[in-house]
Amino acid sequence: GAVVSQHPSWVICKSGTSVKIECRSLDFQATTMFWYRQFPKQSLMLMATSNEGSKATYEQGVEKDKFLINHASLTLSTLTVTSAHPEDSSFYICSAIPTGRSPLHFGNGTRLTVT
Amino acid sequence: GQQVMQIPQYQHVQEGEDFTTYCNSSTTLSNIQWYKQRPGGHPVFLIQLVKSGEVKKQKRLTFQFGEAKKNSSLHITATQTTDVGTYFCAGRGSGGYQKVTFGTGTKLQVIP
Repeated sequence: GAVVSQHPSWVICKSGTSVKIECRSLDFQATTMFWYRQFPKQSLMLMATSNEGSKATYEQGVEKDKFLINHASLTLSTLTVTSAHPEDSSFYICSAIPTGRSPLHFGNGTRLTVT
Repeated sequence: GQQVMQIPQYQHVQEGEDFTTYCNSSTTLSNIQWYKQRPGGHPVFLIQLVKSGEVKKQKRLTFQFGEAKKNSSLHITATQTTDVGTYFCAGRGSGGYQKVTFGTGTKLQVIP
């Protein structure tokens, strides 16, 4: 149980375009989802906490106008990287928790390459 | 903000040797989780520790949570090549609902 699906697995886009990444909880409802970013050989850094029906909470240093998060339902959160630049190339991973104290369940991640 | 550090950053061991990674938080944690990430993959949950001084075992893996709930360790006995990967601890802050902060990770390489 507690499966999180993330799509797409990888995407290549041109600089200046926008990319949308979807994160779905398949067998549970998630009022909260988390978006992480991981650069090569580095740890996972929390970008934002996505809250169903309300605004996302962004971590310090993360531009909310660049990384748009929408959590319109209890099973879907989306991250849109707007006006992508090469420095946005990274591994983006979403996660969700079935209950408040449960461990994180991760999607398979999206490898974004901006050319 | 909360910081979670892990040492060592890298560890190369001969197959059959033991391995330990240590995790230290700048703040008291409500619980700590351990994840393993293979190259190109996503983190996979291993275990969660909640109680002060808790020790849990999974076959050759032993996890400990410190008495002060600020540190933790993962010990692997008799490593195998399948243990290769990066091990992350992840701490959840105390005092109500808190985000999970990942440690810096320890990359384990096992030499056959």
